[in-house]
Amino acid sequence: ILNVEQSPQSLHVQEGDSTNFTCSFPSSNFYALHWYRWETAKSPEALFVMTLNGDEKKKGRISATLNTKEGYSYLYIKGSQPEDSATYLCAFKRGAGSYQLTFGKGTKLSVIP
Amino acid sequence: DTAVSQTPKYLVTQMGNDKSIKCEQNLGHDTMYWYKQDSKKFLKIMFSYNNKELIINETVPNRFSPKSPDKAHLNLHINSLELGDSAVYFCASSRERGSTTNEKLFFGSGTQLSVL
Repeated sequence: ILNVEQSPQSLHVQEGDSTNFTCSFPSSNFYALHWYRWETAKSPEALFVMTLNGDEKKKGRISATLNTKEGYSYLYIKGSQPEDSATYLCAFKRGAGSYQLTFGKGTKLSVIP
Repeated sequence: DTAVSQTPKYLVTQMGNDKSIKCEQNLGHDTMYWYKQDSKKFLKIMFSYNNKELIINETVPNRFSPKSPDKAHLNLHINSLELGDSAVYFCASSRERGSTTNEKLFFGSGTQLSVL
């Protein structure tokens, strides 16, 4: 059983604040780490796919880092806006030979105007 | 045009019935998936097909049977529905062509199944 843990479970921030949350995954047999954004009543949308230790990805005000040796990834949102309110999911793919992504439960972010 | 479309969006049915959920993708992807969002809100993989071939078949009751008539479609048929089958089911696709590639998933909008 693969454990993909995300923390915190939920988070409330004021508009304009920067925030970050964590995804922890098994450090052995790593292949890739995905981040998805899931707005209420919509479907999850991919933000990043990260494969290399030390990878940093950026999309607008959202960025992510990856540490495969210790098994964690951080997602950062700079200057949060109400439209950033969503659940952020990470998903872990183990070593080559697997099609399967194992998802965490997500971090639910609410940005208060 | 919706990239991954699944129908119906809502499905309310009686226990014991047989029902199907359809999924189609117009992205030209080779791989399609069915995920179930369980009561704890986890997205759990149920099945995956790559080019019409079953590649992931997780431990789900054999009342659930996927069918892929071509690589653009992956339908989910459920026999003898039970109360515990109530959940949101998501279809997804990716460009994954082999297990050593690494492509993001594109999700459908989900089907909320309620078994009464």
